[in-house]
This record gives sequence, C-alpha cells and structure tokens, in this order.
Amino acid sequence: QQQVKQSPQSLIVQKGGISIINCAYENTAFDYFPWYQQFPGKGPALLIAIRPDVSEKKEGRFTISFNKSAKQFSLHIMDSQPGDSATYFCAAINQAGTALIFGKGTTLSVSS
Amino acid sequence: DSGVTQTPKHLITATGQRVTLRCSPRSGDLSVYWYQQSLDQGLQFLIQYYNGEERAKGNILERFSAQQFPDLHSELNLSSLELGDSALYFCASSVGSGRVYEQYFGPGTRLTVT
Repeated sequence: QQQVKQSPQSLIVQKGGISIINCAYENTAFDYFPWYQQFPGKGPALLIAIRPDVSEKKEGRFTISFNKSAKQFSLHIMDSQPGDSATYFCAAINQAGTALIFGKGTTLSVSS
Repeated sequence: DSGVTQTPKHLITATGQRVTLRCSPRSGDLSVYWYQQSLDQGLQFLIQYYNGEERAKGNILERFSAQQFPDLHSELNLSSLELGDSALYFCASSVGSGRVYEQYFGPGTRLTVT
C-alpha cells in the first residue's frame, strides 16, 4: 500500500513558469513532510520541509503548501529555471519513525 | 557533496551471487540508513542502524542483511541475488535517530544482476 501518493509523474514547464507538484498521504500520524531533489547519478538531497502546524513554508523560489484537513501538500517552484530540471520526491515520517516514506517521484523538465 | 560515501559506484554480478555494498557516513553521524530505488517500487527504506545497533527495519528481504561497525561505517550484504534485485542502493546518514534529524544521502551504488 502506497502511503504517499505523488503527482504528476512528469512535468514540463517553460523557463520562468511555476512548477507545481502534489502529494497526498493517508496516515494521520505523519508529522514531518520533506521534499527531496535528485539529479541524475546523484543521491536525493533535502530541498525544503514542513511540519503540519504551519500551512506554508517558503525558502527562496521554493514553497510548500500544506492542507492538514485534506491530507495534501504541494511544492511550488517559482520562476522555474533549467537548472531545476531534476526528479522531485515528497516524503513523510511520523513522530516515532526514523524511515522516510517516499512518493514515486516527479520528473521536472524546464525548457529554455 | 553530502559527505556520505558509498562504494562501489557500479556493480555487475550474476544471479545467485552475493555482494557487499559499503557506506561511510558523514563525520559525526551515528545513524545509517539503507534505501533501495527501483523504477517500479521507487525509493524504499530497508534498514537503519544507530551507533552499531539495528534501530528500524523496513521492506528488507531475508536474503539481505546489514551491519554497522565500530568506526560507524556500514555494509549491506545481498545474497542469492535475483534479477529483481537490480536497483540503486542508497545509504543515508544523520546525527541522531528520529524524524528531527535530516538524512543526508550518498551517491548510491548501482547494482545490475544478470
């Protein structure tokens, strides 16, 4: 059973546009939601993370929006750049947990 | 560069064989995690060690085992390999154990079973 569902599977955005990736979870015990960025041939790297007590977190061009009642969260990349082309994974973890539960990933391609 | 190192980078072996993947965590990190990444299953947690002791177990097959040594490096042993074991294997490390500690991922080992 997939505990974190991520969409879309792939995304093409024009340079300067907004990239939006969505995730939904089922386990209400999850209380930490990070996003990871992975370039080809590299390991995932933490991009930004949020806890459910806030509805939004912004770091530079990256913003997480969180809807606790809908059990959904999303990553917005403003002013998308070709260098943002990568695979993005949402993840979740609960208070007692140590293991990250990952979504299936979204491959983002930003065209110049 | 995350500071986590993994060797080898690539590994090609035959079905039925046994391999060992090695991971050195970031300096000062006590926790090591192993993840498997495949096209159909995505990124899946296998096992975690904290300061030499097994702390958590995920979807790890009985044919797989791991350990963490006194110098904190970790090894993942995969035996009786099957074609379906072909995947990227990532090691991650963190200072402590628990959700508050960011996990830093290594570059991975690509295993191909022929």
